Amino acid sequence: GENVEQHPSTLSVQEGDSAVIKCTYSDSASNYFPWYKQELGKRPQLIIDIRSNVGEKKDQRIAVTLNKTAKHFSLHITETQPEDSAVYFCAASMDPYKLSFGAGTTVTVRA
Amino acid sequence: DAGVIQSPRHEVTEMGQEVTLRCKPISGHNSLFWYRQTMMRGLELLIYFNNNVPIDDSGMPEDRFSAKMPNASFSTLKIQPSEPRDSAVYFCASSPGWELGYTFGSGTRLTVV
Repeated sequence: GENVEQHPSTLSVQEGDSAVIKCTYSDSASNYFPWYKQELGKRPQLIIDIRSNVGEKKDQRIAVTLNKTAKHFSLHITETQPEDSAVYFCAASMDPYKLSFGAGTTVTVRA
Repeated sequence: DAGVIQSPRHEVTEMGQEVTLRCKPISGHNSLFWYRQTMMRGLELLIYFNNNVPIDDSGMPEDRFSAKMPNASFSTLKIQPSEPRDSAVYFCASSPGWELGYTFGSGTRLTVV
């Protein structure tokens, strides 16, 4: 099955700086790549996703890039704010219904 | 829309007891997923249904776990007998189509003592 690796496992940034999380996947057939944010004690929530026919997608302060050749994709958060502190999960899918999740990145934004 | 509704929110049970977790997906979503989340193993897919039919249960850890979806608006995940290592947060999620992302429920925090 699909194997998704996520780095780093923890990330501490100064408020206002950028944060970047990187994921690699194993199966070149994967074509859907969502990102989820999970605040402490809450449910994971979809924040952005990208499909294989697109190289980059932006939504306000967050952006995702995809390199299908290298089989990696990244989440970029600019101008970080305290409310960006959470665990972020990447995921990949080649199966029509099944997402494979990365292990998660705990992001802490220091005031 | 009330979102994906899970019950109970918290469950504490003794080892050996039967535990039943419940999920009501978002109306109109035809895919339903059960995930388990622990610090050690992250988010693990246990089973998913499409149009009430189990499609893949390869993530179910052992025969003590079973899941059903008798209709489009209800699913259960049952553990019998429960063991301390089953302690985790169990999430249900639903989706209208795989490229449209999942919506997760609030989860059930299970503690088996």
